[in-house]
Amino acid sequence: QSVLTQPPSVSAAPGQKVTISCSGSSSNIENDYVSWYQQRPGTAPKLLIYENNKRPSGIPDRFSASKSGTSATLGITGLQTGDEADYYCGVWDGSLSAVVFGGGTKLTVL
Amino acid sequence: EVQLVESGGGLVQPGGSLRLSCAASGFTFSTYWMHWVRQAPGKGLVWVSRINTDGSRTNYADSVKGRFTISRDNAKNTLYLQMNSLRAEDTAVYYCVRDLGGQRGYWGQGTLVTVSS
Repeated sequence: QSVLTQPPSVSAAPGQKVTISCSGSSSNIENDYVSWYQQRPGTAPKLLIYENNKRPSGIPDRFSASKSGTSATLGITGLQTGDEADYYCGVWDGSLSAVVFGGGTKLTVL
Repeated sequence: EVQLVESGGGLVQPGGSLRLSCAASGFTFSTYWMHWVRQAPGKGLVWVSRINTDGSRTNYADSVKGRFTISRDNAKNTLYLQMNSLRAEDTAVYYCVRDLGGQRGYWGQGTLVTVSS
């Protein structure tokens, strides 16, 4: 059971928009920066979002994120087949003194 | 070009030990916090440990505390994970990660550790 809760799967058609939620608590999301990662099949995870809503260089603006209270959300617009991947949220948990991840969400682009 | 190359994985019996290494290149290794994150086959990401820039501060997940030791050699641009008293549930791909959660976050390709008799 992960400390952060994500939906196991989401799906949408090419060109559409999808959101992925990440629910935590006051000991993690509410009081620290959330990051998001994309992991395509058979590859290492890649940083998508850092500090709640910032994109590293090279990440297209189709990817966005926000945070409110104890929850965070990743949004992807203009879905492409290449976006099919597992997506994870992560954050430092002050109570555990550990980084915690969500269980991951599998995105299917129908 | 930034590179993180993990090595040292393999098959080990329960109760055994392994030392993972992560060779860093293409950036100033000594200025970054470094992490180990693992992923069991077909499962999600699990944070294992982190170390600060000069090696004076470390943190561990409860599941590995007392069994694993993270360290670094800034002169050799290398991160280590000494894993003792290995259990079947430690079976996973182990990723070396620079600046986890930060702007310069970067993941290695991982090394597979299999604990089995």
